[in-house]
Amino acid sequence: GQQLNQSPQSMFIQEGEDVSMNCTSSSIFNTWLWYKQDPGEGPVLLIALYKAGELTSNGRLTAQFGITRKDSFLNISASIPSDVGIYFCAATIQGAQKLVFGQGTRLTINP
Amino acid sequence: DAGITQSPRHKVTETGTPVTLRCHQTENHRYMYWYRQDPGHGLRLIHYSYGVKDTDKGEVSDGYSVSRSKTEDFLLTLESATSSQTSVYFCAISVSDRRIYGYTFGSGTRLTVV
Repeated sequence: GQQLNQSPQSMFIQEGEDVSMNCTSSSIFNTWLWYKQDPGEGPVLLIALYKAGELTSNGRLTAQFGITRKDSFLNISASIPSDVGIYFCAATIQGAQKLVFGQGTRLTINP
Repeated sequence: DAGITQSPRHKVTETGTPVTLRCHQTENHRYMYWYRQDPGHGLRLIHYSYGVKDTDKGEVSDGYSVSRSKTEDFLLTLESATSSQTSVYFCAISVSDRRIYGYTFGSGTRLTVV
């Protein structure tokens, strides 16, 4: 079946550092999404990407839909303590109405 | 903001007992989903529904059943709970029926099977 390989699995950084994580797959997707999950809560959508090559920003977050449609990355600039959490990539084929998720990247920030 | 609530938020049950988790939405969305979250596996789809009485299996459906008798409610039943079903369960709704603009998730149910 379709799988998303997300890396790294965990990150330990200093406050103020930039963060980069990515998702790759052997399958082609038409939509890539990035979610963040805070402890004890469900994931919340950060950024959605619908076109190959698309680069989208949301504040300090920037995500790109890979040109091959098989990958995506998420960058966070100048990290702050509230960025702590688990970040998930997700993807789907248009019309499928089912998302497949990566394994998650757990971000820890040392003040 | 899409209204989606899960109940209960926490449950401890014994091996072999049936358990039902409830997901309730207030905005008449057609698509609803049940995922489980486990360390190292991310979110895995158990079952989903595309309308009243219309459901389909996900990638980890064994040992689970679902029912949707009303648009607003999607129930997940563990027919005979096992320790491997200890997990956090999330319900989600799709906020668009024609294009996925992203799911909205509930706050989760933490289930422990002892």
